[in-house]
Amino acid sequence: NAGVMQNPRHLVRRRGQEARLRCSPMKGHSHVYWYRQLPEEGLKFMVYLQKENIIDESGMPKERFSAEFPKEGPSILRIQQVVRGDSAAYFCASSRGTGATYEQYFGPGTRLTVT
Amino acid sequence: DAKTTQPPSMDCAEGRAANLPCNHSTISGNEYVYWYRQIHSQGPQYIIHGLKNNETNEMASLIITEDRKSSTLILPHATLRDTAVYYCIVRVGVVRGSRLTFGEGTQLTVNP
Repeated sequence: NAGVMQNPRHLVRRRGQEARLRCSPMKGHSHVYWYRQLPEEGLKFMVYLQKENIIDESGMPKERFSAEFPKEGPSILRIQQVVRGDSAAYFCASSRGTGATYEQYFGPGTRLTVT
Repeated sequence: DAKTTQPPSMDCAEGRAANLPCNHSTISGNEYVYWYRQIHSQGPQYIIHGLKNNETNEMASLIITEDRKSSTLILPHATLRDTAVYYCIVRVGVVRGSRLTFGEGTQLTVNP
């Protein structure tokens, strides 16, 4: 059973460009979470999505960031007009169900570098 | 969500058991204790979780005290590849419980 897949693994963008990060959950998982880890900092929750719905986006920056999880295809985290402060590792996780009884499994992450 | 307290670092000899403590004195009845680890800059890896009873799987054992105010993750035979940051996390509820709140964790170093 394949794990959570993320691509690209490394992404370099110039300031002002857009970054698109993709996440394919584990088979049978319909819940996706995005986390961000800034350099030398801990992991921070960003957003939680189910198919076609954003359930909790309380950790998302108010501007330039958006996320979707369409009926078909991977979840996408989109960052518009990137700035140097967006350089970080972005991790996606998936779970079979919601709530504290369901463990989340993480992907390998996308390392975004903004030059 | 209940706050957790972990020692910032620990050392363990290869082949010996690694016992990682976690204090969660404000935990409430419907909150689960989860353990994850992050090896270098890789994605966090799920280890184990529990509510009240002790749990064991192929990776580790989780011992939760009777009052649930603290727990211990046990790696029975630590190897060099177990060197990582270990996170103890308390999760609650339905929507709120869906997020994981990572603290500073414990840097475990397994020495040859």
